Amino acid sequence: GESVGLHLPTLSVQEGDNSIINCAYSNSASDYFIWYKQESGKGPQFIIDIRSNMDKRQGQRVTVLLNKTVKHLSLQIAATQPGDSAVYFCPSRGTYKYIFGTGTRLKVLA
Amino acid sequence: NAGVTQTPKFQVLKTGQSMTLQCAQDMNHEYMSWYRQDPGMGLRLIHYSVGAGITDQGEVPNGYNVSRSTTEDFPLRLLSAAPSQTSVYFCASSYSFPGGGRTDTQYFGPGTRLTVL
Repeated sequence: GESVGLHLPTLSVQEGDNSIINCAYSNSASDYFIWYKQESGKGPQFIIDIRSNMDKRQGQRVTVLLNKTVKHLSLQIAATQPGDSAVYFCPSRGTYKYIFGTGTRLKVLA
Repeated sequence: NAGVTQTPKFQVLKTGQSMTLQCAQDMNHEYMSWYRQDPGMGLRLIHYSVGAGITDQGEVPNGYNVSRSTTEDFPLRLLSAAPSQTSVYFCASSYSFPGGGRTDTQYFGPGTRLTVL
């Protein structure tokens, strides 16, 4: 079945540095991946997605990398800002549902 | 568009009371779902619906009922509240169900904070 794993529950990064949040998945048939950001007191919000036929996709200050060989996904945030402080999720896709893990909490240090 | 709206924002119940958490979306999304979020537990799926008149159970359905009489609304009912149901509840919607197409990105509501005493 599907499993979602995030390598670190909390990541602390200095403001201005780049952040990398990792995610592992188990289902090699997965063809679509999404990253969500959840700020304190709010619902999760879509950040970026990537299809399995791509290795990399860039957004505004965010890049998602997909390594299908090792079933690994990463979210890179350039020049991390205080507003990036949040919990980040990479849910796995089940039948008719998404399965969220506990997420990675990103703390931005001033 | 208002997106996904949830009411109330906060609610305190006594054990045994019943209540309905409201969720509505104005994006004509077919798929809607309810999650609960507890500290250290991430988001757990309670119930979901792939369209009006169709609902199914998620990971933690016990103690909750849902119905989907219209595309727009997906209320969550607690029949007899228990302290274990103290949580933050999120409703989400998407054009299609997960795996049904590219447009299955979920849009989440702001959440309802429920405390059961």
